[in-house]
Order: sequence, then structure tokens, then C-alpha cells
Amino acid sequence: RKEVEQDPGPFNVPEGATVAFNCTYSNSASQSFFWYRQDCRKEPKLLMSVYSSGNEDGRFTAQLNRASQYISLLIRDSKLSDSATYLCVVNLPNDYKLSFGAGTTVTVRA
Amino acid sequence: DAGVTQSPTHLIKTRGQHVTLRCSPISGHKSVSWYQQVLGQGPQFIFQYYEKEERGRGNFPDRFSARQFPNYSSELNVNALLLGDSALYLCASSFGTGPYGYTFGSGTRLTVV
Repeated sequence: RKEVEQDPGPFNVPEGATVAFNCTYSNSASQSFFWYRQDCRKEPKLLMSVYSSGNEDGRFTAQLNRASQYISLLIRDSKLSDSATYLCVVNLPNDYKLSFGAGTTVTVRA
Repeated sequence: DAGVTQSPTHLIKTRGQHVTLRCSPISGHKSVSWYQQVLGQGPQFIFQYYEKEERGRGNFPDRFSARQFPNYSSELNVNALLLGDSALYLCASSFGTGPYGYTFGSGTRLTVV
């Protein structure tokens, strides 16, 4: 089983729409969770950390469900500039590596 | 301030050859991590170096090696290149060894023919 699994999409949504997607992780001991954004042929960039109580950053809301071992990302009022691949990332305690999912592609159309 | 810089940006090599990729971390960052991203997949961890010592190694063959220099820059070496080594190689720097504060470089795109 993969450490981190994501629905690859693509999610094709109109401007202004809300889009949400999940990722699941296999190791219940995972401690740190992140969403990264990656534009086509560019490097990943941190979008937001995910905290146990859930957190918002502007139009982006992240939720963590430890019991079911999934993380979600919701994007409100989608902009054309939100078109990207969103990478779910988890980290185990005292582990040096970040474990990435394969990414969920979101395309926002005018 | 300069971000994480990687060189070269693109590289074409022949099977069996050797390649060296270079990374300069953000000033003040002491940790460098290397990741391989094959098309359509997420980045996979190769190595982490902190204070010139290897702190972590991913599930990659011994053909892959790395080192970190006193100025915290790093090299990733791959011997006996295979077609499957074609990928985007990403370097990330951070102040410490934990998962926070990672900044990725723009990567080196390696094509093995």
C-alpha cells in the first residue's frame, strides 16, 4: 500500500466554484501534514500546514481526520491562478523524509 | 535573498554514464534534502544531509550517492545511469532536520537516453 494516496483528478471547475479533494495516509503514526502546490514543470511550494483542529488560509481550508487517516483541502471561490497540482505530504515523528502523494490536478476554467 | 539554486537546469546523458547535480541552499540553512520526481508521480526522498552528515537515505540503489560541503552546498551523484533515472531532481533546504521550513529549488531535469 502506498504511504500517501490521492485522487489524481483532474478536477475541472469554473471560476468561482468550490472544489475539494482528499488524500489518505497509511501510517497511523504520521505526525505532520502539509499541502504543497506544484505548477507544471516547476518545484513544489508549501501551500499550508494542516493542523489537528483544521485551519484556513484565505480561500483554502485544510482538515485532518486522524481516525480515518485522511486529509482534505477545500478551495473556495476558485481563481484561474489556482490551476495546479496539489501534493499531499505527511511526515513521521523523527523521520527525515517528507512522503508525497502523486498529486491531484485542478484546472480552473474561465 | 537568493533561494535554493540548482545546477544544471537540464541535462541529457547516455545510459551507463555518470552525473553530478549541484545544490546551494538558502543562506543560513544547514540541511539539504534530495528528491526524485518521475513524471506523473510525487517526489521521492533520496537523501538528507545536515551539518555535512547523512541523516537519512531513501530506498534508492547504491548508484546514488551524495555529500554536503562545509558551506552546506551539496552534490548528488548517480553512477551507471539507467533510462529509469530520467526525472526531475529536486533539492530542498531547511534550517533543521524536521519537516518544517522546506524550500525547494527549481530542480534539474535529467534525461537518460
